[in-house]
Amino acid sequence: QVQLVQSGAELKKPGASVRVSCKTSGYTFTGYKIYWVRRAPGQGLECMGWINPNSGGASYAQSFQGRITMARDTAKTTVYLDMRDLTSDDTAVYFCARALYAASEYFDYWGQGTQVTVSS
Amino acid sequence: DIQMTQSPSSLSASVGDRVTITCRTSQSISSYLNWYQQKPGKAPEILILGATTLQSGVPSRFSGSGSGTDYTLTISSLQPDDYATYFCQETYTTLFTFGPGTKVEVK
Repeated sequence: QVQLVQSGAELKKPGASVRVSCKTSGYTFTGYKIYWVRRAPGQGLECMGWINPNSGGASYAQSFQGRITMARDTAKTTVYLDMRDLTSDDTAVYFCARALYAASEYFDYWGQGTQVTVSS
Repeated sequence: DIQMTQSPSSLSASVGDRVTITCRTSQSISSYLNWYQQKPGKAPEILILGATTLQSGVPSRFSGSGSGTDYTLTISSLQPDDYATYFCQETYTTLFTFGPGTKVEVK
């Protein structure tokens, strides 16, 4: 069965960096784009960008450009989200999600979420 | 960028009620519109894709309609498991922007 399992909660100080991982299984890793989505307290869902695990190519939302990097390890069927220069505004739950195309592209499987807290 | 609005931002309803949530976009997205349900502490789950297609396994009390810039999610008879927050999402652009969400609460 398809599974996306994320790394554990992180507590970081302002200005620090964080890496969140998303271990996938149960399907062909290189066949589907992976997106990263976050939800800050009291806010809605925000799409941060995606990575193509086949090519390693990635695309980032403009609000995150220059501050995030998405990477993958095909041997480990794992994708990573690196974020630097953290501020309290980055406190959120971060999700990875697999994208599938049917009548519309949509996210059919999600990771369980990783809480990232930025606090001094 | 496409702007997404949802109305209402929250609503109170009882079991058995018919619930309607509206999503409006700043430009036509040609039905590239999905609906998700999210419960506290959980990842979102897809309900409707392409504005009207019910995802496999989702109860038939959920339905979607709309076109152009105006879309609707309807729950025909609210069940206890349906108390949650609902988000629309456009996939017309590469940004995949979500609406701000509608929280459905117990009346």
